[in-house]
Amino acid sequence: NAGVTQTPKFQVLKTGQSMTLQCAQDMNHEYMSWYRQDPGMGLRLIHYSVGAGITDQGEVPNGYNVSRSTTEDFPLRLLSAAPSQTSVYFCASSQRMQGEDQYFGPGTRLLVL
Amino acid sequence: AQKVTQAQTEISVVEKEDVTLDCVYETRDTTYYLFWYKQPPSGELVFLIRRNSFDEQNEISGRYSWNFQKSTSSFNFTITASQVVDSAVYFCALSELYNNNDMRFGAGTRLTVKP
Repeated sequence: NAGVTQTPKFQVLKTGQSMTLQCAQDMNHEYMSWYRQDPGMGLRLIHYSVGAGITDQGEVPNGYNVSRSTTEDFPLRLLSAAPSQTSVYFCASSQRMQGEDQYFGPGTRLLVL
Repeated sequence: AQKVTQAQTEISVVEKEDVTLDCVYETRDTTYYLFWYKQPPSGELVFLIRRNSFDEQNEISGRYSWNFQKSTSSFNFTITASQVVDSAVYFCALSELYNNNDMRFGAGTRLTVKP
């Protein structure tokens, strides 16, 4: 099992550019989520999905889109990057949403200039 | 909404000292789950423990122990005889059973263990 994988590891964008952060898991987990980590603020939930075809917003969804066409993949899209989106992004998965310890990917460090 | 507070931003200890990381939470739910995660300098998040709100027994795992007290809404984490490898950022997190927003993390405590 590869667990949760994320690509790329590091990305530099210019303001206004778009990009997709990839996340995949091979554990057949139903629940997947995206967090961003900023200094002094812990991790904040951006979007989550309880299964293929179902997504919902978390605490800080503005500026991000997601889709879940398969159980394995949960990409995060930035349509028009802003400097405020400079952060480290973590994808996570678990068998269920509630009460399950989540498996985190290695993170993607994004710098928006 | 649920909230997790880790008041200690940074802690520095000398190897072999005991250290306690504090975590205070707020929730309206009667059923919830508390977690601790470790983030070493390499950046990945490592799951340490999960407790549900109905189990207030303290837990010990090697040099790690956790003290869950519902009366004070706290879930503190103690490392006994700390080691340099314990240096990391530690996050406390809360997940409510009926809240679709899933986990809320504290801001984290950066622990530095000096040789």
